[in-house]
Amino acid sequence: EPEVTQTPSHQVTQMGQEVILRCVPISNHLYFYWYRQILGQKVEFLVSFYNNEISEKSEIFDDQFSVERPDGSNFTLKIRSTKLEDSAMYFCASRERGGTADTQYFGPGTRLTVL
Amino acid sequence: DQQVKQNSPSLSVQEGRISILNCDYTNSMFDYFLWYKKYPAEGPTFLISISSIKDKNEDGRFTVFLNKSAKHLSLHIVPSQPGDSAVYFCAASGAGNQFYFGTGTSLTVIP
Repeated sequence: EPEVTQTPSHQVTQMGQEVILRCVPISNHLYFYWYRQILGQKVEFLVSFYNNEISEKSEIFDDQFSVERPDGSNFTLKIRSTKLEDSAMYFCASRERGGTADTQYFGPGTRLTVL
Repeated sequence: DQQVKQNSPSLSVQEGRISILNCDYTNSMFDYFLWYKKYPAEGPTFLISISSIKDKNEDGRFTVFLNKSAKHLSLHIVPSQPGDSAVYFCAASGAGNQFYFGTGTSLTVIP
């Protein structure tokens, strides 16, 4: 069964460093998402991406964040200068079509630890 | 602004009995609702969904009920099994692309 994959599973970085989190969505999916979950809190939407551009983003997704689909298979989230509060699980998701009646499928997540 | 709420952070149920997980939402524009199951160190896994044109959807042991007037949905698991022990998130979406998640309910099914 097709699945969303994410690498690395765990990333440790120093505050102020740049990190890139990678995702490979399900191959025929067209819509891509990043979410994060700070330990003990809810899953929060960061950004959605369609047709090589951002379609929606939340207040969390500030200028320190960017997304890219560099090669038609990978979908990346870059944090330019990490802060302690960026420590969280980051989940990538994809879905086949737009519209509300369609399910997002999540990857296993990348645990980001900022020291 | 918490648009989707799960007011019970945890629930314990005996194996074989019914588990009922509840979720409330505030945005009347939401028209698609989902339940996800999440094990530690894994991503959320889609479980079951319901659109606003229905009030019930069933898939095996899992049934989701939607009460639009009360802005409430619930997930029933019958019979509950120890492997069902996980965190359950409800999520909702409307005209946009994003899903809004609740804070989750940790279900423990006691053998």
